[in-house]
Order: sequence, then C-alpha cells, then structure tokens
Amino acid sequence: DTGVSQNPRHKITKRGQNVTFRCDPISEHNRLYWYRQTLGQGPEFLTYFQNEAQLEKSRLLSDRFSAERPKGSFSTLEIQRTEQGDSAMYLCASSLQGYEQYFGPGTRLTVT
Amino acid sequence: DAKTTQPTSMDCAEGRAANLPCNHSTISGNEYVYWYRQIHSQGPQYIIHGLKNNETNEMASLIITEDRKSSTLILPHATLRDTAVYYCIVSASGGYNKLIFGAGTRLAVHP
Repeated sequence: DTGVSQNPRHKITKRGQNVTFRCDPISEHNRLYWYRQTLGQGPEFLTYFQNEAQLEKSRLLSDRFSAERPKGSFSTLEIQRTEQGDSAMYLCASSLQGYEQYFGPGTRLTVT
Repeated sequence: DAKTTQPTSMDCAEGRAANLPCNHSTISGNEYVYWYRQIHSQGPQYIIHGLKNNETNEMASLIITEDRKSSTLILPHATLRDTAVYYCIVSASGGYNKLIFGAGTRLAVHP
C-alpha cells in the first residue's frame, strides 16, 4: 500500500454513460498525475496537477475527459459518453517535488 | 526525454541475480535513469534512480555505463515475488513531471 487510494477499483458501464473516478493522493504531496494503461502496454500519461492547477494535458485526453483537483487534495477524472475504446486501467500517482511517483492500485474500467 | 530500449522478456531462477538491461543511447547530460516495476494488477512501484554513479538501495542496484548510454538493474537474489514488468525511464525531471513508459521487460522468476 503506497498511501494513494483510488475508487472505485472496478467499474463496468454501458457505452454512452458517464463515469467518474476518484484519487486520494498521499496527503502532503502537491503533484497528482493520471495515467491510462491498456492490456500489454505501459502506462500512458494523461494529465497532472500541481496543487489545484492543471499544468499539462496529453493529446490523449479528448474533450470527453475532464479532470479536477478542486482543493489541491483529491482529484476526480470524468469520462463523458464512454466508448469501448475507453476500457482500460486508470492509474493515479502523486509526488512531492521528489524523484519518485507513488501509484495507486488503479481503477479498471470496462465499457460494454 | 530520451527513448529507451529493453528486451521484451527475461527469465531468472529463484535465488539467482536478475540483470535487466536498458539502452538509452540518446540520453542527455541532465537526464536521470529511473526504474519502476509493475506487479500484475497493481500500480507501478518506484525501484531506484541514478544520474552517473552506480546506486544501491534495499531493493536493487543500478549500474550505469561510463558513457551513460546503457544501464543494468540488478536484483541480487530474485524471488518469485519479483515477477513483474520492469520499466526503464529516462527523464530530466523524473518524479516531478510526467513519466513516459515504454513496454518494459517482463521478468519471470522460476522456482
């Protein structure tokens, strides 16, 4: 257990529905990251925050995806109008101006 | 960030040293070498990082060649729990900015 928690751990949804995931980072960590991982591939960067400011978004993050970190603590990732191609593991990580990122266990999304 | 090349898979006998190579021939002077691993169904886990000198911690040793174009992660006494995908990442800012993962090396430790 790294101290980073993600909820839910698994989500099954029908195509076209909206889903929201939550990440709670290690409490004093000011940076929070979202990654997506499909089967057999390494994680792909989606976006990251420093405190409540979203500093970078990947081109992978289409306009159906939105992420927030309203008080610089927990973060949410919402996917609107889900597609089957959104099926993946969504990973959250946090860091404190250090060299390593601490990853949560991930949320596995299945779009049927 | 520089690109890395790793073998797709490797095997190791339990109790023996596992030596995982990584090529990063385009690494620049301010870029660190990081290693993470991912055990099945878990998030990636930081192992070790280095710039020029060899590094050792409780998990592993990192050997970086003098020209810094390649490195080797050494797990001195591999156990079954070390079975995982190992990612070599080169980054100037490391944990503070985004990590760019490749496909990694799938290490299987056998009894």
